[in-house]
Amino acid sequence: GAVVSQHPSRVICKSGTSVKIECRSLDFQATTMFWYRQFPKQSLMLMATSNEGSKATYEQGVEKDKFLINHASLTLSTLTVTSAHPEDSSFYICSAPQLGRVNEAFFGQGTRLTVV
Amino acid sequence: AQSVAQPEDQVNVAEGNPLTVKCTYSVSGNPYLFWYVQYPNRGLQFLLKYITGDNLVKGSYGFEAEFNKSQTSFHLKKPSALVSDSALYFCAVRDGDYGQNFVFGPGTRLSVLP
Repeated sequence: GAVVSQHPSRVICKSGTSVKIECRSLDFQATTMFWYRQFPKQSLMLMATSNEGSKATYEQGVEKDKFLINHASLTLSTLTVTSAHPEDSSFYICSAPQLGRVNEAFFGQGTRLTVV
Repeated sequence: AQSVAQPEDQVNVAEGNPLTVKCTYSVSGNPYLFWYVQYPNRGLQFLLKYITGDNLVKGSYGFEAEFNKSQTSFHLKKPSALVSDSALYFCAVRDGDYGQNFVFGPGTRLSVLP
């Protein structure tokens, strides 16, 4: 099946610094990718939709300037958490629907971000 | 708006016994339903989906789910549970047309006891 690779799997950073998370579709092209955030023992909450060649679409309540999304190519989307704070610590997961594979999305392994 | 409910936070079952993880949904049009499993600190793994056709859908690792339109349910089942099935299970419904986002249920933690 299709593979979505997310990197890094774990990252610890200091408050005030920025962290970049990459999401790659390894064997298919994705014009759209989704970024989710998952709090402990909770479900996935959609943060934003990444669109290749255009601006990302953010869900209500998600700060655009804090969570920068760039969809540079048909196989790569990045999420940058800027000026990170401890409350940004969470599990971030990306997913990508495969072109031609209707109604199915593939998920990355997730990134555990800890801000100290 | 689409929504998904998983009424049980936790399901405990003995190894070898059948298991059921419940899911109900609400959509305005035709439901496209999915089950995913998540192991600790990992992403989601696809188990099965219902788009159209037979109401009983068979998926990975011996799991199956039955679509019930009248009850708006899509319960996940397995005839004989394994300890390795212990994980977090998410039911999801697709929100919108092709390529759009999935709406997830809150998740159910399954513990299979040896």
